[in-house]
Parts: sequence; structure tokens; C-alpha cells
Amino acid sequence: NAGVTQTPKFRVLKTGQSMTLLCAQDMNHEYMYWYRQDPGMGLRLIHYSVGEGTTAKGEVPDGYNVSRLKKQNFLLGLESAAPSQTSVYFCASSYTGNTIYFGEGSWLTVV
Amino acid sequence: AQSVTQPDIHITVSEGASLELRCNYSYGATPYLFWYVQSPGQGLQLLLKYFSGDTLVQGIKGFEAEFKRSQSSFNLRKPSVHWSDAAEYFCAVAADSGGGADGLTFGKGTHLIIQP
Repeated sequence: NAGVTQTPKFRVLKTGQSMTLLCAQDMNHEYMYWYRQDPGMGLRLIHYSVGEGTTAKGEVPDGYNVSRLKKQNFLLGLESAAPSQTSVYFCASSYTGNTIYFGEGSWLTVV
Repeated sequence: AQSVTQPDIHITVSEGASLELRCNYSYGATPYLFWYVQSPGQGLQLLLKYFSGDTLVQGIKGFEAEFKRSQSSFNLRKPSVHWSDAAEYFCAVAADSGGGADGLTFGKGTHLIIQP
């Protein structure tokens, strides 16, 4: 079972570059989320989606955009990367009433 | 909005000793509570969850947690730790059992160190 798959797993960007993180889930989940993890901060919600074609802001949305064109995919975009966006990014998905599943993380460094 | 506090940033325990990791939550209604574990360089693995019913929940790897509404706590326990339990532990709360529209709110984590 693939579960929640994130690509790429590692990436180094220069300040000002753009990139997209892809999250794919094969569990037919309605809800999908993007979190970032920073030392001593736990995980913080960036954006989330409650269904295909919908997105909403979480706790720390600035500097990121998202899209959910297909139910199984949730894309996180950085239009102009900044060093403050150096972090580990986790995608998650769930179906109401069930467990939330996390991907294995994407390590992003902005230099 | 809900919040989670894990008062201990680091905890050191001797191998074979018992463990208790503290978690306090703030939420007005009945919370849905979770404990996750993260090994270095890895993703998050669900240890256990509390949705309703019995306030003592059993999880994987010999862990258990007790929900105490009067103390707004959901502490994680293990009778005897193993060196492989060294990891980061996160407590989380949700307004919905599946995460819902607000997702999970996480504590800042407790780093568990196991002494030989």
C-alpha cells in the first residue's frame, strides 16, 4: 500500500526560485493537508483541502500556494523561495472518522 | 481554537525504566487526541488515539495513554522502555476524529533519550 507519497524527498533551492511539492494519496481521502516542521515548533498547518477543487489557509500560509485539481493530489507551491522556508514538509490525508495518515516528509533547504 | 502543550522538551530515561510523557490540551468540546512518534529523518507514525469510550487506550509498541477530562490531559506511558524508543513524540488534538477542516493541532514535541 502506497498510502501518502511525497515528491521530491530532498531539494535545495536558491532564494527566489520556485518549486512545487507533490502529494499523492491512494486511499480516496477527502481531506488533505500540508504541514511544516521546524525544530522546537512541532508541526504547523500551512494549507488544507476538504475536497477536490477546494483549498483553505492554515496557521502559516504566507509564501505558499496550493492546488487540489484531482482528489488524490495536493500540490504545495513556493513562488519565490526564502531562507525562512527551509523546513521539513509533511503531507497528510484523512477521511472523516478515520485515522490521519502522513507522508514521509520532504526536506527543503533554501540558500 | 484548540491548543496542545507538551511541558517537557527533553526527557531522559534509563533502558528498562518506566516512561510518562505529558500532554495538556485546550479545547471546549470533546477532543480527539493522538500521540505520534517520529524517528530521526522519518515521518510520523501513529501510536494511539482517543475518540471516545474507555479513557485508557492501548497503542502499538506497548504504549498506552489515559484521557483525563478533569485535568485536560492525555499522558503517554510505557512500563519499560527500550533503546529503540528513542525518538520525538508529538501529542495532537483535533476537533474532528478524522482531522476535519482544521486538521490536527500539534504540541511542540518531547525528545526522548534512552540511557543504557
